[in-house]
Formats: sequence, structure tokens, C-alpha cells
Amino acid sequence: NAGVTQTPKFQVLKTGQSMTLQCAQDMNHNSMYWYRQDPGMGLRLIYYSASEGTTDKGEVPNGYNVSRLNKREFSLRLESAAPSQTSVYFCASSEIRTYQETQYFGPGTRLLVL
Amino acid sequence: AQSVAQPEDQVNVAEGNPLTVKCTYSVSGNPYLFWYVQYPNRGLQFLLKYITGDNLVKGSYGFEAEFNKSQTSFHLKKPSALVSDSALYFCAVRESYGGATNKLIFGTGTLLAVQP
Repeated sequence: NAGVTQTPKFQVLKTGQSMTLQCAQDMNHNSMYWYRQDPGMGLRLIYYSASEGTTDKGEVPNGYNVSRLNKREFSLRLESAAPSQTSVYFCASSEIRTYQETQYFGPGTRLLVL
Repeated sequence: AQSVAQPEDQVNVAEGNPLTVKCTYSVSGNPYLFWYVQYPNRGLQFLLKYITGDNLVKGSYGFEAEFNKSQTSFHLKKPSALVSDSALYFCAVRESYGGATNKLIFGTGTLLAVQP
């Protein structure tokens, strides 16, 4: 099993450009998450999807949109990138049964917005 | 609201010495607590979790964590540090209980530096 995969690994954008970050998991998990990691701030939740067909805002959703394409895939879109969105983005997945709450993370996407 | 605090930005320890990375939490209800590790340029890896049961939880790579309800702490420990343990460590708490998601609230991270 590959676990959680993310593409691309690294991206440079100009202010105002758009892009979509892709995430896929092969663990048959119901829930998926998008985080951003910034120095000194830990991980902050952008959006999450409790199950296929549902999405909800997390702590820092402004400037982002998401799509839960199917059970495996959860994409994050930046419609008009801003320098403040320079960050490392992580996708994660988990089950939702009690005692199965562990989240499994992808390798991350480093995004630089100029 | 649930929260976690990691009071130390960095912990320095000599190889072979015991290490402790501190975490305190605030929850309404029973806590579900986690430790994750992040090696350079990698995603987070699960180390261990406390859901219920024994206060001493054993995890991957020889790490363990002690749950202390009276002190609301969940410190990560290892009896003998290795240089390869040098990484960024995150404590996390589950945000809500009985709901349809397992949202986690992460601490700001503690950088562990093990000197040879």
C-alpha cells in the first residue's frame, strides 16, 4: 500500500495564479483532511471531509476550496494564490470508528507564491 | 475548546541520555491524545496514542508517553536517545467526541536535537 500520496511535491506560483493540490489514499478511509504547516504555528486544519460527499471548513479555510472526488481522492484548490499561502501542505486520512482515530499523512507539497 | 501546549520550542539531549518532550492539554471530557514525529522534508508519522487504559503508552521506535490526568500532561519519553531521533515532535488532541470526524488539534511542535 502506498498510503497517502500527494502531487505535486513542489510548486512555485505567481500571485493570482490558480492551482490544485491532489491527494489520494488507498487505505479505504472515510475521512480526509488538508493542513498547512507554517513555522512556529504547527499544523492548522484548512478543510476536512468526514465522508465521501461531505466537506467542512477547518480553522483557516479562506482562499481555498476542496473537492472530495470519491472515497480515495480529496483535492485542494487555490483560486487566486497569495504570498500568504506560501506554506507546506499536508493531506491526511483516517477512519472514524472509535479507537481508530489515527491520522495518516502524505509527504507534503511545498508551495511558494511569489 | 480543546487545546494542547508544547512549552519548549527545542530540546537538546546527548546521545544515550533519557529524553522528555513535554505536552499539556485542555479538554472537556475524556482526552484522546497523540504524538507524531516529523523528519526533515517528510510528512508526519504516528508514534503513539492514549485513548483509555494504562497511563503509560508504548509506541514506535522505543518511545513511550505518560498520561497524567491530575497534571493534564502527556509527556513523550525515551530511556536512551539516539542521534536518529532528532526531528520535530507534535502533540495532538482530538477535537470532539462522538462526532463524525476525528479532527485533531496540534501543538506548535518541539524540535528534538540529539548530540553525538
